[in-house]
Amino acid sequence: DIVMTQSPDSLPVSLGERATINCKSSQSVLYSSNNKNYLAWYQHKPGQPPKLLIYWASIRESGVPDRFNGSGAGTDFTLTISSLQTEDVAVYYCQQYYETPRTFGQGTKLEIK
Amino acid sequence: EVQLLESGGGLVQPGGSLRLSCAASGFIFANYDVTWVRQAPGKGLEWVSGISSSVAGTHHADSVKGRFTISRDNSKNTVYLQMDSLRAEDTALYYCARNFWYYDLWGRGTLVTVSS
Repeated sequence: DIVMTQSPDSLPVSLGERATINCKSSQSVLYSSNNKNYLAWYQHKPGQPPKLLIYWASIRESGVPDRFNGSGAGTDFTLTISSLQTEDVAVYYCQQYYETPRTFGQGTKLEIK
Repeated sequence: EVQLLESGGGLVQPGGSLRLSCAASGFIFANYDVTWVRQAPGKGLEWVSGISSSVAGTHHADSVKGRFTISRDNSKNTVYLQMDSLRAEDTALYYCARNFWYYDLWGRGTLVTVSS
């Protein structure tokens, strides 16, 4: 199974500041035949279902604010929130869909400093 | 409205069974794979089971293999998760999600509690 490891586990950030969450996969999730990274990012708030933010590592889902950006390739990926807003407080997960089982990272809890 | 709605959760004793349902509306259900993902109390997201649009392929996590069975009825726009031989560690909020590689639509979840 592909193991997804996020860092940090918890991230306190001041309002308006940049938040950076890292995700590392135990093997590459880049499919060479189409040059796509099979990685997604989700936002999960208490009492709500997870919400898709980013897919193919860097494509923003429709309706997601442009302060959310995904980058990286192969085994190392980053979710960046350029200017933290109060509504961004949540747990963030990366997930690989390169192979089954479709594994998630352990989650990063983003909070206001 | 495009949505998924889970049902069938509840309290069950260890060794018991439950069948979860995930009802879809607002889109062509038969075109999509569907997945079950769970979240145990205080834990992260765990992929549980997936089924292809054509029912040709099903997959289960090792933690539930041999105990859980995923199925679907495209005429009813519904996916099911039959859960047998339930254990305390299966206690979780179970979500179904529409699967187009990534999961772009999620239900609100149904809670399963396994306890005596």
